[in-house]
Parts: sequence; structure tokens; C-alpha cells
Amino acid sequence: EDQVTQSPEALRLQEGESSSLNCSYTVSGLRGLFWYRQDPGKGPEFLFTLYSAGEEKEKERLKATLTKKESFLHITAPKPEDSATYLCAVQANDYKLSFGAGTTVTVRA
Amino acid sequence: GAVVSQHPSRVICKSGTSVKIECRSLDFQATTMFWYRQFPKQSLMLMATSNEGSKATYEQGVEKDKFLINHASLTLSTLTVTSAHPEDSSFYICSAVTTTTGELFFGEGSRLTVL
Repeated sequence: EDQVTQSPEALRLQEGESSSLNCSYTVSGLRGLFWYRQDPGKGPEFLFTLYSAGEEKEKERLKATLTKKESFLHITAPKPEDSATYLCAVQANDYKLSFGAGTTVTVRA
Repeated sequence: GAVVSQHPSRVICKSGTSVKIECRSLDFQATTMFWYRQFPKQSLMLMATSNEGSKATYEQGVEKDKFLINHASLTLSTLTVTSAHPEDSSFYICSAVTTTTGELFFGEGSRLTVL
């Protein structure tokens, strides 16, 4: 059974204080690892897809990396608008996504 | 980017009634759509996989007679919560897989409250 574990559950940061979120996974036949951002009461918003170990992707203050067992989402110099729940999900060959529980990030000004 | 629309975004209904939620891919075709359920402060739980022109595949523990899924076209899937009860109150989210690239996009979600 596919498993995705995210840590920490919650992260409180001061504006400008960089940090990393972890997503460890076990999956049979990884098609891709996804990172999403979710704001309260809304559906997940796509951030990145990573397909193979060693791959890295960046978008503004976010950078995602992937190894064979885990992925990291680095937030560099975060701003209050980066406050959200960040979800990690692994996609198997049948396109199904298995989600982690998420990390809720709060950035204080 | 690709857009997936869900309607309604919020619905309140009485216990015992049925509610239909639509999921549309607006600018792409999707042979496969997924329906998720999310409880407060919890992650998304896959309920079922909806394939165009065939019966949906339900995850273990999901009642197929209670959560009816229809995927009548390449751009529309519907979830009908039948004989709704207060415990069915939740945030329901759909996602659609593009037939061309295999990317997956989410709708904005539909919050169901059963009184």
C-alpha cells in the first residue's frame, strides 16, 4: 500500500526565515510526486511535479527536490502570503494520488 | 493552465435528500476523474475513480450505492450523495487527468452541509 508521511504537521515561521518541509513515501511504481498548496476552504493548487530522483524544480520562493525515498519543499525567505497547507502526493501508474496529511505553514510578518 | 470547475461550491441540504455535485474539465478532455473527500484539518481521501463511459471504481469502505458517480462525457463527472445524513457533511473535491499529458488538476471543491 502506498504511504506518504509529511513532517512537520505545522510550521510557524517569521517572515524571511527559510525552512524545509519533508515528504517521505513508499509506493509501488512511482509515476510522479506532486506538491500542492491548499488554502482554507479551497481545492489544492498545483505547485510541482517531480518524476525522478535528483530532479529539482523552483517557483518563486519555493524549491522542490526528490530522492528515491523523500521529497523536500524548501521555502526561501517566506512572506505571509506563503501561509497555507502544503500537500505532498505520490502518483502510481494508475494515476491515483495518495496524499500525505499536509504541513500547515504560518508565516508571521 | 487547465481548469477544473466544480458546482456547487457550497450546498446545504436536509437529511434524507440527495445532492448532485458536478465536476467539469473546462479546456481539456479527461477520460479519468477522481473524487476525494476531505474532513476538517485532514488530508484528501480518495473515494472513487471515474472513467468515461464505464462504471466507477470505488475505494474500500466507500458505499457505491450512497455515492453515485457518473462520467457521461470526456468533460463531465457527477457525484450524487443519496439520502444524505449529517455524517456525509464534508468537503468533496474532484480532479481530472488530461488525456494528452497525464497531468492532474483539481476543482475548487464543494462543501456539503447536511442538516
